[in-house]
Amino acid sequence: SQQGEEDPQALSIQEGENATMNCSYKTSINNLQWYRQNSGRGLVHLILIRSNEREKHSGRLRVTLDTSKKSSSLLITASRAADTASYFCATAPSQGGSEKLVFGKGMKLTVNP
Amino acid sequence: DVKVTQSSRYLVKRTGEKVFLECVQDMDHENMFWYRQDPGLGLRLIYFSYDVKMKEKGDIPEGYSVSREKKERFSLILESASTNQTSMYLCASKGGGGRNQPQHFGDGTRLSIL
Repeated sequence: SQQGEEDPQALSIQEGENATMNCSYKTSINNLQWYRQNSGRGLVHLILIRSNEREKHSGRLRVTLDTSKKSSSLLITASRAADTASYFCATAPSQGGSEKLVFGKGMKLTVNP
Repeated sequence: DVKVTQSSRYLVKRTGEKVFLECVQDMDHENMFWYRQDPGLGLRLIYFSYDVKMKEKGDIPEGYSVSREKKERFSLILESASTNQTSMYLCASKGGGGRNQPQHFGDGTRLSIL
């Protein structure tokens, strides 16, 4: 079952601009993760934020998590053409205890040079 | 760095054939996963394995089986391939250090069933 839903589904920006992607989910979670997928390739893990964290940074990436609203955002600052990819949020549900992640359908980011 | 290797990037098979997709990881990870990815549907979990010879059904196991005889290798088997199994198949692995660990993905196998 799909839990995370990314918004917007597609975003086109100019190089140097910031890109913000949002993710909403439905059930309580242990953590939320963001992945990137370049065309025709596998997913690459970007950042993981635990349920007791509110904000996390990694290089040009900033992730926030609001568990009361069941939502997260991924901000990419000073975007580059190489950031063009699909981005997925994935949640680790706190119930059940299994190792499964539930992925959203992804959103496509295009950064124009 | 973790390396997850899928045996084929592209594969073309015929309806009714038995198809094997192989995945190998080099980090001694306990957990391995098979997903399929279709446009507009995102990633859907087919099966996963949390130890050698152990497996658990994901969200869409019908028409598939898996095998994990060795820790590093996780195979996905299409018992009798059908055209609706044409898809991108992604394998992933994850260490056993708790749930706050990421999954590491292979580059995928694009499978076409004719």
